[in-house]
Amino acid sequence: GAVVSQHPSRVICKSGTSVKIECRSLDFQATTMFWYRQFPKQSLMLMATSNEGSKATYEQGVEKDKFLINHASLTLSTLTVTSAHPEDSSFYICSARDLWLAGATDTQYFGPGTRLTVL
Amino acid sequence: TQLLEQSPQFLSIQEGENLTVYCNSSSVFSSLQWYRQEPGEGPVLLVTVVTGGEVKKLKRLTFQFGDARKDSSLHITAAQPGDTGLYLCAGGQGTYKYIFGTGTRLKVLA
Repeated sequence: GAVVSQHPSRVICKSGTSVKIECRSLDFQATTMFWYRQFPKQSLMLMATSNEGSKATYEQGVEKDKFLINHASLTLSTLTVTSAHPEDSSFYICSARDLWLAGATDTQYFGPGTRLTVL
Repeated sequence: TQLLEQSPQFLSIQEGENLTVYCNSSSVFSSLQWYRQEPGEGPVLLVTVVTGGEVKKLKRLTFQFGDARKDSSLHITAAQPGDTGLYLCAGGQGTYKYIFGTGTRLKVLA
């Protein structure tokens, strides 16, 4: 099956620093990747939709200058949390949509997530 | 804003019991997916339903998409401790964007 990886799996950083999280589709091409945020014991909240070669579309309430998204290739999207603060601590999960399986099912494959802790 | 409400929010049952999880919305979805998530991991897709009234079975799990494509249910027969996890429904609206439900945390006791 399709595999999506995320790196790093865990990161601890100091307040005020920036952190970059990578999301890669390993065995398929993904024109669209999604970034989610999940707080403990809660559901996933969609942050933004990342399209290869164009600007990301952010959900209402998500600061685009705070969460920078770059989707430079069909297999890689990055999320950079700029000037991180403790309230940014969360579990960040990406998903990728298979270009060649596009259709009614709109299947998306999830990465394993990245746990960010801001001290 | 679309909202997918899941019920119950929490469920603790004994091994061997049956259970049903509901996913309801006022919005129509082109497809609906069910996921299971373990702590510290990403969600794993269980099933995708796309047709109103569709029923899919996956071993002891039965999924149903409502006729109006606004709601769905997940029924587990003879639950096992391995079924423990966070169950999430997610609705798609053809923009390739998914809205996730509020989640149901299931614990199956041996």
